[in-house]
Amino acid sequence: DTGVSQDPRHKITKRGQNVTFRCDPISEHNRLYWYRQTLGQGPEFLTYFQNEAQLEKSRLLSDRFSAERPKGSFSTLEIQRTEQGDSAMYLCASSSSGTFSPYEQYFGPGTRLTVT
Amino acid sequence: TQLLEQSPQFLSIQEGENLTVYCNSSSVFSSLQWYRQEPGEGPVLLVTVVTGGEVKKLKRLTFQFGDARKDSSLHITAAQPGDTGLYLCAGGILTGGGNKLTFGTGTQLKVEL
Repeated sequence: DTGVSQDPRHKITKRGQNVTFRCDPISEHNRLYWYRQTLGQGPEFLTYFQNEAQLEKSRLLSDRFSAERPKGSFSTLEIQRTEQGDSAMYLCASSSSGTFSPYEQYFGPGTRLTVT
Repeated sequence: TQLLEQSPQFLSIQEGENLTVYCNSSSVFSSLQWYRQEPGEGPVLLVTVVTGGEVKKLKRLTFQFGDARKDSSLHITAAQPGDTGLYLCAGGILTGGGNKLTFGTGTQLKVEL
């Protein structure tokens, strides 16, 4: 049973550089979510997709952030002109729109971003 | 804006003790999930409750959803060192397109021998 995978697991970048993260959801899941978690806090919602449509974006997602899910399968999250405040764990989760399943989200291992 | 407050923030207990973690909000949620997270890893889903007053048991863990669907509790009986971790509650609002989760700040549990 393949879970949610994320790549890379760790990324160190210099301030001002662009970074891109990838998330592969559980294969039969049509919903995909991105969250950000800073040290000592719970995850915060960033955005989500149903199939290839991006349905909601948090105000936390500034115009330097963009997310895509072009074929309704994997998703990418890009951060342009990174700032030190972007340092965090970026988590991806997926769920199904089935009868009971829509409540349950399964998370990947996360991508730890450090901006120096 | 929905907020979830968890208490306590930190809990250090001896093996064999019982404990309860609380998750409270002024908002009503469609569902309430509990997750456990290890350092450097993503949260792992423990349970989902959707009905007010619902109680679910998972071995030594008992989860309860408040009657008004605004609060929840997690009770662990006879805690073991393997229970150590960060416990997160998350309230969900189910809309047409998804179930956006609002997380609590977490309870860091340490169980010592």
